Amino acid sequence: DVVMTQTPPSLSVAIGQSVSISCKSSQSLVYSDGKTYLHWLLQSPGRSPKRLIYQVSNLGSGVPDRFSGTGSQKDFTLKISRVEAEDLGVYYCAQTTHFPLTFGSGTKLEIK
Amino acid sequence: EVQLQESGPGLVKPSQSLSLTCSVTGYSITSNYWGWIRKFPGNKMEWMGYISYSGSTSYNPSLKSRISITRDTSKNQFFLQLNSVTTEDTATYYCARSILYWGQGVMVTVSS
Repeated sequence: DVVMTQTPPSLSVAIGQSVSISCKSSQSLVYSDGKTYLHWLLQSPGRSPKRLIYQVSNLGSGVPDRFSGTGSQKDFTLKISRVEAEDLGVYYCAQTTHFPLTFGSGTKLEIK
Repeated sequence: EVQLQESGPGLVKPSQSLSLTCSVTGYSITSNYWGWIRKFPGNKMEWMGYISYSGSTSYNPSLKSRISITRDTSKNQFFLQLNSVTTEDTATYYCARSILYWGQGVMVTVSS
């Protein structure tokens, strides 16, 4: 299985600050079609996971542009600019390039 | 709008089978892929398997001998059965369409 290593495991930030979360995979996530199937999800407290970003850098429907994703091959980053209170929760990266689908271990974002 | 809703017992005894139902509204399960994902205490997420629009299935190899996913297209429902459960199967179980649409989740505890 592809191992997804996510850091840091937790973050505490003030409203308005920017943060970055890293996700590194044990194999390249470039599929045979040339696309990279690396996604970011947020699970807010008491809610189901929500897909924020798909295929590295594409914002999901209704996701504010404070969220951005970058990266390639095995190294990916989620950046949140100007953190808001509603951003708290656990962030996951996930890959669907290789079988089986695997997730990162999660990054818990807390608001100071 | 696609909506998914899990249902099933919240407590299962060790060695017994865990059975859950996912009821889908707003989209036919004869299109796309429909799966089960679980989240363990402590944030670890595991993709369990899916059933496709045609009824074919794919399972996480870690579960292959214990898992079965079936469907009832007349009710637009699909089902999870996990056999020979242990306390390590205690988790919140989500049904999902890819990683875009998720149910609210059902917490299942395995305990005698």
